[in-house]
Amino acid sequence: GAGVSQSPSNKVTEKGKDVELRCDPISGHTALYWYRQSLGQGLEFLIYFQGNSAPDKSGLPSDRFSAERTGGSVSTLTIQRTQQEDSAVYLCASSWGLTDTQYFGPGTRLTVL
Amino acid sequence: KQEVTQIPAALSVPEGENLVLNCSFTDSAIYNLQWFRQDPGKGLTSLLLIQSSQREQTSGRLNASLDKSSGRSTLYIAASQPGDSATYLCAVSPRSFKTIFGAGTRLFVKA
Repeated sequence: GAGVSQSPSNKVTEKGKDVELRCDPISGHTALYWYRQSLGQGLEFLIYFQGNSAPDKSGLPSDRFSAERTGGSVSTLTIQRTQQEDSAVYLCASSWGLTDTQYFGPGTRLTVL
Repeated sequence: KQEVTQIPAALSVPEGENLVLNCSFTDSAIYNLQWFRQDPGKGLTSLLLIQSSQREQTSGRLNASLDKSSGRSTLYIAASQPGDSATYLCAVSPRSFKTIFGAGTRLFVKA
């Protein structure tokens, strides 16, 4: 079946602009995660959603970052007033539950000029 | 605070060799540990998931072990092949569910 998909695959934006990154999880997966991988850095947890529960936003690096998940499926990560340090690959993953195997999408490479 | 460390940071071996990658974590209160591989410019591919109640998992030429009490996991790769060249990441799922990744081991298998 279809895996996790993310769009766009690449995004180049100017400093100060807002961007939206989209994640389509595997159908039926109740858990969805967002991570950030900066050049030469490890994966950094940003946020997770589990079913209809309120998301844990404590990993978001600043209040410019927000995420939502509509209808328990598609998720959008929004970065407002982008900064150059936001440049990174943003990865999404989904799983059946929070203790199950996470399946990753191909990522969105964000470049802020 | 949970920390995940992977040793070595990089490894180069000739084809056919058996090898072991190491992962250590500081807090044993975890739900599971997962091993992934990441190819350059790509997302992560799940290799093995070990639940906290398990000691090991096997898939083909891969075997992962978990010793929660000592905070260690190993990934054993048998008869390595050039196609195994990638970065291998381990990740733990703590009680908070905020998955924590190690920095990875970059593996190069020479033909």
